Amino acid sequence: DAKTTQPTSMDCAEGRAANLPCNHSTISGNEYVYWYRQIHSQGPQYIIHGLKNNETNEMASLIITEDRKSSTLILPHATLRDTAVYYCIVRLYFLGNTPLVFGKGTRLSVIA
Amino acid sequence: GAVVSQHPSRVICKSGTSVKIECRSLDFQATTMFWYRQFPKQSLMLMATSNEGSKATYEQGVEKDKFLINHASLTLSTLTVTSAHPEDSSFYICSAARDRYNEQFFGPGTRLTVL
Repeated sequence: DAKTTQPTSMDCAEGRAANLPCNHSTISGNEYVYWYRQIHSQGPQYIIHGLKNNETNEMASLIITEDRKSSTLILPHATLRDTAVYYCIVRLYFLGNTPLVFGKGTRLSVIA
Repeated sequence: GAVVSQHPSRVICKSGTSVKIECRSLDFQATTMFWYRQFPKQSLMLMATSNEGSKATYEQGVEKDKFLINHASLTLSTLTVTSAHPEDSSFYICSAARDRYNEQFFGPGTRLTVL
């Protein structure tokens, strides 16, 4: 799986959009970008994934650059409950029974 | 979405005792489950891959005789920490891969404290 680089931490004001970047310059053509988050003392929670098109669901939007070397997870209206560590993971889609490998992630603090 | 449970959610034990942690997929079958360990302020570290009906595959540096994994059914995997020591104190998290889908679901984690 390709390596990802994320900022160690970020702050965001409550109600504003949180934009979390991820660099994955060695991504291969058939690797997807996945985002998970982990709220303190809980198991990771799936957020969204994508290949090359931008994706949106009820939780977030995922913007992938045209060259696929980086992406941004957008939480449109951050709340205090969005405070968590966010992990960007690159992996092959059709290997669902292989483990997810977590990097250090970005610690997002949403501030009132 | 699919639900994965873990039991117990937290356990405190004395040094030298063994502790069993259960991971269950409640509404789906999971041929493959994974066990992770997480120390404070660190990321999740994969310990082992558990396959139903076969021996687990352990990551380098993880002692298979200390961390016994049993995956006896399609909905249950257990991790037994044998002869636990204070350095085994950690947050243990399992995940289950839903068969025929490219999805994995995580349990809520088990906080182990060894005194």
